[in-house]
Amino acid sequence: EVQLVESGGGLVQPGGSLRLSCSASGFTFSSYSMNWVRQAPGKGLEWVSYISSSSSTIYFTDSVKGRFTISRDNAKNSLYLQMNSLRAEDTAVYYCARDQVTMVRGVTTPCGMDVWGQGTTVTVSS
Amino acid sequence: DIVMTQSPDSLAVSLGERATINCKSSQSVLYSSNNKNYLAWYQQKPGQPPKLLIYWASTRESGVPARFSGSGSGTDFTLAISSLQAEDVAVYYCQQYYSPPYTFGQGTKLEIK
Repeated sequence: EVQLVESGGGLVQPGGSLRLSCSASGFTFSSYSMNWVRQAPGKGLEWVSYISSSSSTIYFTDSVKGRFTISRDNAKNSLYLQMNSLRAEDTAVYYCARDQVTMVRGVTTPCGMDVWGQGTTVTVSS
Repeated sequence: DIVMTQSPDSLAVSLGERATINCKSSQSVLYSSNNKNYLAWYQQKPGQPPKLLIYWASTRESGVPARFSGSGSGTDFTLAISSLQAEDVAVYYCQQYYSPPYTFGQGTKLEIK
């Protein structure tokens, strides 16, 4: 079964740090780009970060640049999000999600995020 | 950044009737080299992660019922549910994956009338 399982969430004080993990199973993790998406309580979805399969390409949303780091360990089938200098507005459920791709005329073409974890909750509060 | 704007914010439709949700991007998400719109639709039910319904604006993900359809190109897109079922009650989001940050619309809450 294709599965993503997040862990590492919790309660942290403003200015603190947390490291989220996402464990993948049931597919060849090293072949897929991955994302982190978050959802504040009662709010919509916010894309946070992207990392390519080889870690050669990384993107962040502006609000976390310089504070968050994304990484992966393909040997351990794991994705990580290191979150530093946390703020109250970072409070959210954090999901990891797989980037689906397919070949179109011999070119790898993205087609949405097809596998999601159940999420891990991060609460930033004093 | 590409801003995604959905309308309406909420929608109430009778069982068996058609539901339509619109999504507009602040710039085109049509990738000219392959003529694909980098636009996806997701369904999120309470307490669950999002589920991919549609990608490339109009291609249904495997296993998604045929009553769900996507249309549009460039900057204007629509998700339609042809005959609303009780299990379709959810929040629906569009997302562009044309250029980072890969922004979502604000969501449309679909309820039964």
